[in-house]
Amino acid sequence: SQQGEEDPQALSIQEGENATMNCSYKTSINNLQWYRQNSGRGLVHLILIRSNEREKHSGRLRVTLDTSKKSSSLLITASRAADTASYFCATGSNDYKLSFGAGTTVTVRA
Amino acid sequence: DAGITQSPRYKITETGRQVTLMCHQTWSHSYMFWYRQDLGHGLRLIYYSAAADITDKGEVPDGYVVSRSKTENFPLTLESATRSQTSVYFCASSLTGLETQYFGPGTRLLVL
Repeated sequence: SQQGEEDPQALSIQEGENATMNCSYKTSINNLQWYRQNSGRGLVHLILIRSNEREKHSGRLRVTLDTSKKSSSLLITASRAADTASYFCATGSNDYKLSFGAGTTVTVRA
Repeated sequence: DAGITQSPRYKITETGRQVTLMCHQTWSHSYMFWYRQDLGHGLRLIYYSAAADITDKGEVPDGYVVSRSKTENFPLTLESATRSQTSVYFCASSLTGLETQYFGPGTRLLVL
């Protein structure tokens, strides 16, 4: 069963706007990761945040983690057409396996 | 610098046939994983391997067999393909298992 659940399922924004998507999970984690998948391609790792971290940045990406609420958010600032993709959160536990959510599909309109 | 490769990229087979999907990584990562991706289900783990000759079941292992005789290769075999195994299959590798996973380009399998 999926550990992570993304919300919303789909998001359409104008180029230059910010995109925010959320991930909720059920059990305790070691880390939470976000991946991007362009249409017809494999997943690409974006960012990893550990359970003892609250916020992390990478370029135009900002990830937050609230372990008390078992939730994370991914913010993409100043979106570009190239950001059009599906975004997945994945939770890592001490069993060395990642559990992926169903993903958020982001469409950036020119 | 090949990274992680999968072959074939596309495969059409018939119900009941045996199919093997190949995965090869050049990083000497200890961990390797097989996932299937279906609409509405995200990625589901089929099998994983912590090292050569060590494999373990994931969430949906039924109907699949894996082996890992060499660190760099992790083939996935469908012993008797069924239509429900039509999917996109992704292989991934990771240095430590808990950290970043690196994904291959995927194999699109259609079982008729």
